Amino acid sequence: AQRVTQPEKLLSVFKGAPVELKCNYSYSGSPELFWYVQYSRQRLQLLLRHISRESIKGFTADLNKGETSFHLKKPFAQEEDSAMYYCALIIGNQFYFGTGTSLTVIP
Amino acid sequence: DTEVTQTPKHLVMGMTNKKSLKCEQHMGHRAMYWYKQKAKKPPELMFVYSYEKLSINESVPSRFSPECPNSSLLNLHLHALQPEDSALYLCASSPSGTGGNSPLHFGNGTRLTVT
Repeated sequence: AQRVTQPEKLLSVFKGAPVELKCNYSYSGSPELFWYVQYSRQRLQLLLRHISRESIKGFTADLNKGETSFHLKKPFAQEEDSAMYYCALIIGNQFYFGTGTSLTVIP
Repeated sequence: DTEVTQTPKHLVMGMTNKKSLKCEQHMGHRAMYWYKQKAKKPPELMFVYSYEKLSINESVPSRFSPECPNSSLLNLHLHALQPEDSALYLCASSPSGTGGNSPLHFGNGTRLTVT
């Protein structure tokens, strides 16, 4: 069974518009969740981790245990945000990646 | 040094060749990983080494053979590969050998083409 679900394969928004990338997980314990970003021809990079409760590059993500979600949000999208975004759940030393969402920010 | 370094960046090999991919980190991380990534797909876990011991092998064909010579190095030996094995091979490391909330640090990957 898929542990991490990202329902949108492709997402396009206009520059300056709000963006939300959805992530749902399946785990009965206390989840450790991350968002990774992969810009074109670059390495997979850690963007956010839920325990940090921080904002990176204007992105935030809140863990909602009731809805088992960890959606990634940014109020005003920028062109440089265009990339592939992966939600990930760690259990022990096993990482479970979602299928990814390709975000395109239209100028 | 806060990076995971992978060599070579690109590799083209025939189906009868033997080659090796190398990965190095000097962050003192105790877990190291091999992932395979096809275009526009998430990374697929292949192997996990924890404290230099193989802890996870995700039913990977024997034509892929991992090796962890020491805590900083991870190799992936390749032999008799198939064209469908062409992909980006990613190495990653994490601080904790037992997981927990340690994020993965990825290398840039080796883009492998099997002809």
